[in-house]
Order: sequence, then C-alpha cells, then structure tokens
Amino acid sequence: ETGVTQTPRHLVMGMTNKKSLKCEQHLGHNAMYWYKQSAKKPLELMFVYNFKEQTENNSVPSRFSPECPNSSHLFLHLHTLQPEDSALYLCASSQDPLIAGEGSQYFGPGTRLTVT
Amino acid sequence: DQQVKQNSPSLSVQEGRISILNCDYTNSMFDYFLWYKKYPAEGPTFLISISSIKDKNEDGRFTVFLNKSAKHLSLHIVPSQPGDSAVYFCAASYPEGAQKLVFGQGTRLTINP
Repeated sequence: ETGVTQTPRHLVMGMTNKKSLKCEQHLGHNAMYWYKQSAKKPLELMFVYNFKEQTENNSVPSRFSPECPNSSHLFLHLHTLQPEDSALYLCASSQDPLIAGEGSQYFGPGTRLTVT
Repeated sequence: DQQVKQNSPSLSVQEGRISILNCDYTNSMFDYFLWYKKYPAEGPTFLISISSIKDKNEDGRFTVFLNKSAKHLSLHIVPSQPGDSAVYFCAASYPEGAQKLVFGQGTRLTINP
C-alpha cells in the first residue's frame, strides 16, 4: 500500500451504534488530520495530530473521538451520531512542521458515512 | 462565515482552451494558498500553491495568480485536457503554520472534447 489509505470506504450506521474509521499513512509523515465534507459545503478540519499528540480540535462534538496510537495510524471513533453527521470523512497526513511549498497535505480516499 | 469562497460551483470549457477557476478570501491574515484537485471516489490531491509574497506561480500547464489587494486568486489551466475534469478546491492557511487549511466549497470543471 502506498499513500494514505482509509477503511471502510462506505459505512451505514444507526444512531445508537458505535463504529470506528481507520486511516493509515505510508509516507513517513508526522502529522495526521481528520476532515469532514458535507454535501455542498467546504472541507472542515476536525482534528490535527502532531507526533501522536492532538494539537487541534476544531470544536468537534464529543460523539467523535479521535485516537492516534502512532504517527502512521489514526482512528475516528463514532458513537450516538446524528443523521446530520452523514458526510465524507477524509484523513490526511503531512510533514511537521509543514513547509510551505512542499506540497502540503496528502489525502486518503475518504469514508462515506451514512447515519440512519 | 465562509472565509474562502469559490462562487462558481461548475465550469465547462472546451478542450484546448483556457480554464480559469476563481477563489476569493476575506481574511487578510492568510499568507499561503493552495489548489487541490479531486476525482470521484478519490481524496483531494495537491496541485499548485503560492505564497503571499508572490503574485504568480507556474507549473507546466497550471498557473496560479494572486491579487492580494482584491483578496482574489485564480487558477489557469492551458491548454485544458479531458483529464482535467475534476472538482478543484482552493485553500488558504495562516502564517503560524499551513496545517490549519481553510477550504472553499469547490468548483466542478468539465472539459468537453
């Protein structure tokens, strides 16, 4: 595997379920990110991890719980979600500190989440 | 309030012609700007960037122009090719680090043969 991979690619869950999204990067980067993209809205940054430490939480509800066990893996644990949480969830990675002009963040293909 | 705006949700251009995608921003603190390209079922991929100290950056068929006084940037693709059909996102970052990117909502570009 190369680049940034995400599993599952599609997920349907009920509001009382607990599920997890997984992201893995094979680029040797030290920073990882979770983004949310809702229909017809811009990508919204959710969380940033640098060297496994969370450095940014963009006012995300506690029903989304990130976990970064090492610099290559990032999880997003989901519980008691709402239908409005249905969206495309994208993971990205980059070098840290991010050097301007070096190509910025590398994205995975995303997980399409539907909450019923 | 959306700080980075792409006011054209879609754009259709004939193959071989120039494609011009526009982006406006409101926050004068942004100092670095990027364009990403996204195909269906794939994540966005980095295309080209520009620092606020420049007004133009060129990479092959892609050129980004920055007008700081107007808080406007544009991406020019010439000549346009069918493989350029994708959604293009404009993004901006703050001086303290390019990790916190603010994205526009995207413009869907379609290149017609």
